[in-house]
Amino acid sequence: NAGVTQTPKFQVLKTGQSMTLQCAQDMNHEYMSWYRQDPGMGLRLIHYSVGAGITDQGEVPNGYNVSRSTTEDFPLRLLSAAPSQTSVYFCASSIGGYQPQHFGDGTRLSIL
Amino acid sequence: EDQVTQSPEALRLQEGESSSLNCSYTVSGLRGLFWYRQDPGKGPEFLFTLYSAGEEKEKERLKATLTKKESFLHITAPKPEDSATYLCAVQIDDYKLSFGAGTTVTVRA
Repeated sequence: NAGVTQTPKFQVLKTGQSMTLQCAQDMNHEYMSWYRQDPGMGLRLIHYSVGAGITDQGEVPNGYNVSRSTTEDFPLRLLSAAPSQTSVYFCASSIGGYQPQHFGDGTRLSIL
Repeated sequence: EDQVTQSPEALRLQEGESSSLNCSYTVSGLRGLFWYRQDPGKGPEFLFTLYSAGEEKEKERLKATLTKKESFLHITAPKPEDSATYLCAVQIDDYKLSFGAGTTVTVRA
Protein backbone atom coordinates (compact mmCIF):
# COMPACT_ATOMS: atom_id res chain seq x y z
CA ASN A 1 0.00 0.00 0.00
CA ALA A 2 1.48 3.34 -1.05
CA GLY A 3 -0.71 5.49 1.26
CA VAL A 4 0.07 9.18 0.73
CA THR A 5 2.79 9.92 -1.81
CA GLN A 6 4.46 13.32 -2.09
CA THR A 7 6.78 14.49 -4.85
CA PRO A 8 9.39 15.84 -5.05
CA LYS A 9 11.14 15.00 -1.76
CA PHE A 10 13.51 17.96 -2.05
CA GLN A 11 13.39 21.17 -4.06
CA VAL A 12 15.40 24.38 -4.23
CA LEU A 13 13.79 27.43 -5.83
CA LYS A 14 14.77 31.00 -6.47
CA THR A 15 12.62 33.84 -5.18
CA GLY A 16 9.79 34.55 -7.57
CA GLN A 17 9.69 31.12 -9.17
CA SER A 18 6.53 29.07 -9.12
CA MET A 19 6.15 25.36 -8.61
CA THR A 20 3.65 22.63 -7.78
CA LEU A 21 4.04 20.13 -4.96
CA GLN A 22 2.29 16.89 -5.80
CA CYS A 23 0.25 14.74 -3.42
CA ALA A 24 -1.58 11.53 -4.23
CA GLN A 25 -3.38 9.00 -2.03
CA ASP A 26 -4.67 5.55 -2.89
CA MET A 27 -7.00 5.02 0.08
CA ASN A 28 -10.10 6.64 -1.46
CA HIS A 29 -10.08 9.25 1.30
CA GLU A 30 -12.41 12.23 0.87
CA TYR A 31 -10.47 14.59 3.12
CA MET A 32 -7.03 15.89 2.15
CA SER A 33 -4.92 18.68 3.57
CA TRP A 34 -1.62 20.50 3.28
CA TYR A 35 0.52 21.57 6.25
CA ARG A 36 3.82 23.30 6.65
CA GLN A 37 6.22 22.47 9.47
CA ASP A 38 8.77 25.00 10.69
CA PRO A 39 11.31 24.59 13.53
CA GLY A 40 9.81 25.22 16.97
CA MET A 41 6.29 25.46 15.60
CA GLY A 42 3.49 23.00 15.23
CA LEU A 43 2.20 21.86 11.88
CA ARG A 44 0.14 24.66 10.39
CA LEU A 45 -2.76 24.04 8.02
CA ILE A 46 -2.44 25.74 4.63
CA HIS A 47 -5.45 24.46 2.65
CA TYR A 48 -7.77 21.51 2.86
CA SER A 49 -10.37 19.70 0.76
CA VAL A 50 -13.40 17.70 1.84
CA GLY A 51 -13.92 16.13 -1.57
CA ALA A 52 -13.32 16.54 -5.28
CA GLY A 53 -14.14 20.07 -6.38
CA ILE A 54 -14.24 21.45 -2.81
CA THR A 55 -11.35 23.32 -1.18
CA ASP A 56 -11.03 25.78 1.68
CA GLN A 57 -8.39 27.86 3.42
CA GLY A 58 -6.56 26.89 6.56
CA GLU A 59 -4.50 28.96 8.96
CA VAL A 60 -1.75 30.14 6.57
CA PRO A 61 -3.13 30.17 2.98
CA ASN A 62 -1.44 33.28 1.58
CA GLY A 63 0.91 32.59 -1.33
CA TYR A 64 -0.50 29.11 -1.96
CA ASN A 65 -3.15 27.75 -4.28
CA VAL A 66 -4.87 24.36 -4.42
CA SER A 67 -7.37 22.48 -6.54
CA ARG A 68 -8.99 19.05 -6.23
CA SER A 69 -10.13 17.65 -9.55
CA THR A 70 -10.00 13.99 -8.45
CA THR A 71 -10.35 12.16 -5.14
CA GLU A 72 -6.76 10.92 -5.39
CA ASP A 73 -4.79 14.10 -6.09
CA PHE A 74 -4.37 17.36 -4.21
CA PRO A 75 -1.56 19.52 -5.62
CA LEU A 76 -0.24 22.61 -3.84
CA ARG A 77 0.96 25.50 -5.97
CA LEU A 78 3.36 28.21 -4.91
CA LEU A 79 2.51 31.20 -7.05
CA SER A 80 5.66 33.32 -6.54
CA ALA A 81 8.09 31.73 -4.10
CA ALA A 82 9.42 33.80 -1.19
CA PRO A 83 12.16 32.92 1.34
CA SER A 84 9.48 32.84 4.08
CA GLN A 85 8.03 29.79 2.34
CA THR A 86 11.15 27.74 3.06
CA SER A 87 9.72 24.86 5.06
CA VAL A 88 8.83 21.19 5.09
CA TYR A 89 5.44 20.57 3.49
CA PHE A 90 3.24 17.64 4.44
CA CYS A 91 0.16 16.33 2.73
CA ALA A 92 -2.36 14.28 4.69
CA SER A 93 -5.58 12.41 4.04
CA SER A 94 -8.34 10.86 6.11
CA ILE A 95 -11.71 9.20 5.70
CA GLY A 96 -13.32 12.39 6.98
CA GLY A 97 -13.31 14.94 9.74
CA TYR A 98 -12.61 13.68 13.28
CA GLN A 99 -10.63 10.76 11.85
CA PRO A 100 -6.87 10.16 12.11
CA GLN A 101 -4.91 11.65 9.27
CA HIS A 102 -2.37 9.72 7.23
CA PHE A 103 0.67 11.78 6.30
CA GLY A 104 3.12 11.62 3.44
CA ASP A 105 6.86 11.89 4.09
CA GLY A 106 7.04 15.53 3.13
CA THR A 107 8.66 17.83 0.60
CA ARG A 108 11.63 19.83 1.86
CA LEU A 109 11.56 23.18 0.08
CA SER A 110 14.28 25.83 0.16
CA ILE A 111 13.80 29.22 -1.42
CA LEU A 112 16.86 31.34 -2.02
CA GLU B 1 -7.84 31.55 20.68
CA ASP B 2 -7.38 27.80 20.43
CA GLN B 3 -3.92 26.78 21.64
CA VAL B 4 -2.00 23.57 22.10
CA THR B 5 1.17 23.59 24.21
CA GLN B 6 3.49 20.63 24.64
CA SER B 7 6.11 20.21 27.35
CA PRO B 8 8.92 19.61 27.71
CA GLU B 9 10.40 20.55 24.34
CA ALA B 10 13.00 17.81 24.69
CA LEU B 11 13.37 14.79 26.95
CA ARG B 12 16.44 12.62 27.32
CA LEU B 13 15.85 9.27 29.00
CA GLN B 14 17.92 6.28 29.91
CA GLU B 15 16.60 2.98 28.59
CA GLY B 16 14.03 1.72 31.07
CA GLU B 17 13.46 5.14 32.67
CA SER B 18 9.73 5.86 32.50
CA SER B 19 8.45 9.39 31.97
CA SER B 20 5.49 11.46 30.77
CA LEU B 21 4.90 14.07 28.11
CA ASN B 22 2.31 16.79 28.56
CA CYS B 23 -0.11 18.39 26.09
CA SER B 24 -2.23 21.21 27.45
CA TYR B 25 -4.96 22.80 25.36
CA THR B 26 -7.38 25.69 25.42
CA VAL B 27 -10.21 24.73 23.08
CA SER B 28 -13.87 25.44 23.58
CA GLY B 29 -15.58 22.08 23.37
CA LEU B 30 -13.03 19.34 22.73
CA ARG B 31 -13.95 17.25 19.70
CA GLY B 32 -10.93 14.98 19.80
CA LEU B 33 -7.25 14.89 20.73
CA PHE B 34 -4.70 13.01 18.66
CA TRP B 35 -1.17 11.80 19.39
CA TYR B 36 1.30 11.24 16.56
CA ARG B 37 4.88 10.01 16.41
CA GLN B 38 7.32 11.59 13.94
CA ASP B 39 10.70 10.11 13.04
CA PRO B 40 13.40 12.31 11.44
CA GLY B 41 12.74 12.88 7.76
CA LYS B 42 9.31 11.24 7.93
CA GLY B 43 5.71 12.32 8.20
CA PRO B 44 3.75 12.01 11.45
CA GLU B 45 2.38 8.55 12.22
CA PHE B 46 -0.91 8.20 14.07
CA LEU B 47 -0.82 6.71 17.58
CA PHE B 48 -4.03 7.47 19.50
CA THR B 49 -7.30 9.39 19.49
CA LEU B 50 -8.97 10.47 22.75
CA TYR B 51 -12.45 12.00 22.82
CA SER B 52 -13.52 12.49 26.42
CA ALA B 53 -12.02 13.23 29.83
CA GLY B 54 -11.04 10.05 31.66
CA GLU B 55 -10.39 8.11 28.48
CA GLU B 56 -7.15 6.10 28.20
CA LYS B 57 -5.54 4.31 25.26
CA GLU B 58 -2.55 1.98 25.32
CA LYS B 59 -0.13 0.61 22.75
CA GLU B 60 2.99 -1.33 23.73
CA ARG B 61 5.01 0.98 26.02
CA LEU B 62 2.83 4.03 25.37
CA LYS B 63 -0.28 5.09 27.26
CA ALA B 64 -2.29 8.23 26.54
CA THR B 65 -4.68 9.81 29.03
CA LEU B 66 -7.03 12.79 28.82
CA THR B 67 -8.43 15.33 31.29
CA LYS B 68 -10.51 18.43 30.59
CA LYS B 69 -7.43 20.61 30.16
CA GLU B 70 -4.56 18.32 29.18
CA SER B 71 -3.39 14.98 27.92
CA PHE B 72 -0.41 12.92 28.97
CA LEU B 73 1.60 10.43 26.98
CA HIS B 74 3.27 8.02 29.38
CA ILE B 75 6.27 6.05 28.16
CA THR B 76 6.92 3.00 30.31
CA ALA B 77 10.37 1.38 30.32
CA PRO B 78 11.36 3.06 27.04
CA LYS B 79 13.72 1.52 24.51
CA PRO B 80 16.00 3.33 22.05
CA GLU B 81 13.47 2.67 19.27
CA ASP B 82 11.00 4.91 21.13
CA SER B 83 13.22 7.89 20.27
CA ALA B 84 11.12 10.26 18.14
CA THR B 85 9.22 13.51 18.24
CA TYR B 86 5.74 13.11 19.68
CA LEU B 87 3.07 15.50 18.44
CA CYS B 88 -0.25 16.35 20.02
CA ALA B 89 -3.13 17.77 17.97
CA VAL B 90 -6.59 18.98 18.92
CA GLN B 91 -9.62 18.95 16.63
CA ILE B 92 -10.88 22.54 16.63
CA ASP B 93 -13.74 22.15 14.15
CA ASP B 94 -15.10 19.55 11.74
CA TYR B 95 -12.00 19.56 9.54
CA LYS B 96 -9.19 21.44 11.26
CA LEU B 97 -6.51 20.31 13.69
CA SER B 98 -4.31 22.53 15.84
CA PHE B 99 -0.90 20.98 16.50
CA GLY B 100 1.53 21.51 19.34
CA ALA B 101 5.22 22.02 18.57
CA GLY B 102 6.11 18.53 19.79
CA THR B 103 8.35 16.86 22.37
CA THR B 104 11.55 15.27 21.10
CA VAL B 105 12.35 12.14 23.08
CA THR B 106 15.82 10.59 23.04
CA VAL B 107 16.29 7.22 24.75
CA ARG B 108 19.88 6.17 25.41
CA ALA B 109 20.85 2.51 25.69
